[in-house]
Amino acid sequence: AQSVSQHNHHVILSEAASLELGCNYSYGGTVNLFWYVQYPGQHLQLLLKYFSGDPLVKGIKGFEAEFIKSKFSFNLRKPSVQWSDTAEYFCAVNAQSWGKLQFGAGTQVVVTP
Amino acid sequence: EAGVTQSPTHLIKTRGQQATLRCSPISGHTSVYWYQQALGLGLQFLLWYDEGEERNRGNFPPRFSGRQFPNYSSELNVNALELEDSALYLCASRPVGTATNEKLFFGSGTQLSVL
Repeated sequence: AQSVSQHNHHVILSEAASLELGCNYSYGGTVNLFWYVQYPGQHLQLLLKYFSGDPLVKGIKGFEAEFIKSKFSFNLRKPSVQWSDTAEYFCAVNAQSWGKLQFGAGTQVVVTP
Repeated sequence: EAGVTQSPTHLIKTRGQQATLRCSPISGHTSVYWYQQALGLGLQFLLWYDEGEERNRGNFPPRFSGRQFPNYSSELNVNALELEDSALYLCASRPVGTATNEKLFFGSGTQLSVL
């Protein structure tokens, strides 16, 4: 069965610290990978996506993610977080045959001033 | 351009009742997805409609059902409500076609509380 795992449920860090959120999936075929973010009181919105090409993808607000096929991973990074990055982050994966976007459980990130 | 709209924003029901949740996709979007977001469980896929037909269904009991209308809006019905159905129900839409690398546009959700 397909599954998406996010390693941390809660992360607390200070402004200017670096952030890395882990995401692993279980599926041997070709996948499309996404990170979505849900800011407090707002809709889920796309942060970045990967479907082919350069495995290092850059998204909005200084976020980037690296697809490592051999590790079935798509980790999200930001070198220096801001208070406004406080949000819940969801990794999501799909494949042509799935008919759905499979989400991880989410990571709540709190950035303290 | 209006985003994905969902109604009602909040819904309070008691066990055994039925709930109806509504979703209007972005104009031009034909695919509608429903997800359940329960605390600590992330988003669980419920249903996918495209061009008026159910294309895929998640691992939920048959009392979760829905439909898509000719104008591409959608309804999610939950019968015989149980306490554990309390969650945020999110609707998302996607433009014409079934490109799996296209992003979904999400609504704000309906918070269903079952007492």
